[in-house]
Amino acid sequence: KAGVTQTPRYLIKTRGQQVTLSCSPISGHRSVSWYQQTPGQGLQFLFEYFSETQRNKGNFPGRFSGRQFSNSRSEMNVSTLELGDSALYLCASSLEQPQETQYFGPGTRLLVL
Amino acid sequence: SQQGEEDPQALSIQEGENATMNCSYKTSINNLQWYRQNSGRGLVHLILIRSNEREKHSGRLRVTLDTSKKSSSLLITASRAADTASYFCATDAGSQGNLIFGKGTKLSVKP
Repeated sequence: KAGVTQTPRYLIKTRGQQVTLSCSPISGHRSVSWYQQTPGQGLQFLFEYFSETQRNKGNFPGRFSGRQFSNSRSEMNVSTLELGDSALYLCASSLEQPQETQYFGPGTRLLVL
Repeated sequence: SQQGEEDPQALSIQEGENATMNCSYKTSINNLQWYRQNSGRGLVHLILIRSNEREKHSGRLRVTLDTSKKSSSLLITASRAADTASYFCATDAGSQGNLIFGKGTKLSVKP
């Protein structure tokens, strides 16, 4: 099976702009989780989607949003970008539950200038 | 908030030596997982150990879990330069049903 894919791999934006990141999970996986990774804060949970519904959400401001489509593909959006949003954004998929083994994509590295 | 905390933060060893990393956590768990991340890339799942298991092996990896001490260890035997990476433990104790990752141990294996 193909692994988790994320596009784009690299992105440069300026403050105030918005960005959309995409994630395609492993075929048959219905749970998709998103994480933000920074050197200072480590891996932080953003949200998790299952069957097109946001099932879990981390402690991030409302500027961070996401959605999941009927084919389980997921997107996350960050509006009004801030310098502190510069990070590696990782998507992970699992069969049903996020607490089980997660399979990660390569990540999207976002730089906000 | 961080649930798992790895120790040490960084570890440097020679090829062929064993590497041991520890993880401590705060609340009760159903399972604990270890992941590896090569520089700036996605995480790769290594092993999952459930709360009713004490030890698990996978190739050169050995994981132990002590729920009474709320701690786990990852042992990599006969390390190779290719094992150079960051290693994270993750517990399923997230209040939102998510995994919580520690900040990782950065392992450097010198040839």
